[in-house]
Amino acid sequence: GAGVSQTPSNKVTEKGKYVELRCDPISGHTALYWYRQSLGQGPEFLIYFQGTGAADDSGLPNDRFFAVRPEGSVSTLKIQRTERGDSAVYLCASSPYLNTEAFFGQGTRLTVV
Amino acid sequence: AQTVTQSQPEMSVQEAETVTLSCTYDTSESDYYLFWYKQPPSRQMILVIRQEAYKQQNATENRFSVNFQKAAKSFSLKISDSQLGDAAMYFCAYRSAQGGSEKLVFGKGMKLTVNP
Repeated sequence: GAGVSQTPSNKVTEKGKYVELRCDPISGHTALYWYRQSLGQGPEFLIYFQGTGAADDSGLPNDRFFAVRPEGSVSTLKIQRTERGDSAVYLCASSPYLNTEAFFGQGTRLTVV
Repeated sequence: AQTVTQSQPEMSVQEAETVTLSCTYDTSESDYYLFWYKQPPSRQMILVIRQEAYKQQNATENRFSVNFQKAAKSFSLKISDSQLGDAAMYFCAYRSAQGGSEKLVFGKGMKLTVNP
């Protein structure tokens, strides 16, 4: 595709449920990033992949959050036992290699009720 | 840890006028990058302009320019000839230039309204 694609665009889930958020980066981009943007705040870094490996996962808030990128392209952010505080827009970005512009997707708005 | 502060939550400007968005940051590093991103209602973050800290010359991209004051840790964005399409949230962001650090640290953002 022409840009970073995130699915679903919106997701409503009940407290305690498991959710998966998908990110399709721009073809050929080796770096992929996940950010979380709470209402009225700037995005906060969660995790960054270089290829298939997580190069920096220091932003993951706790062990309920996990992300994978098994083939070095598509990535999935997984949240277990969702809480109302997890409600936010989850943004994905990709870049062709290090120290280059990151291109963002339109995010997934997660609402936990 | 680095922090980015945008103290003005909202601003408005008349179409065709000039507006300046302010940003300050805190870091102990000497080499880093600074960015301004625009986020329209579509939620997609769009890079407006980028500045390398080792460059003394202020970055310029068409109607957008920055005033980078390294000693003061200030990084303001000037939008000239404002257009209706400039209306959006604007975020200032910092990234370390140290090896292996790719994460962006964002400010809280500022809502810009452009009045016709």
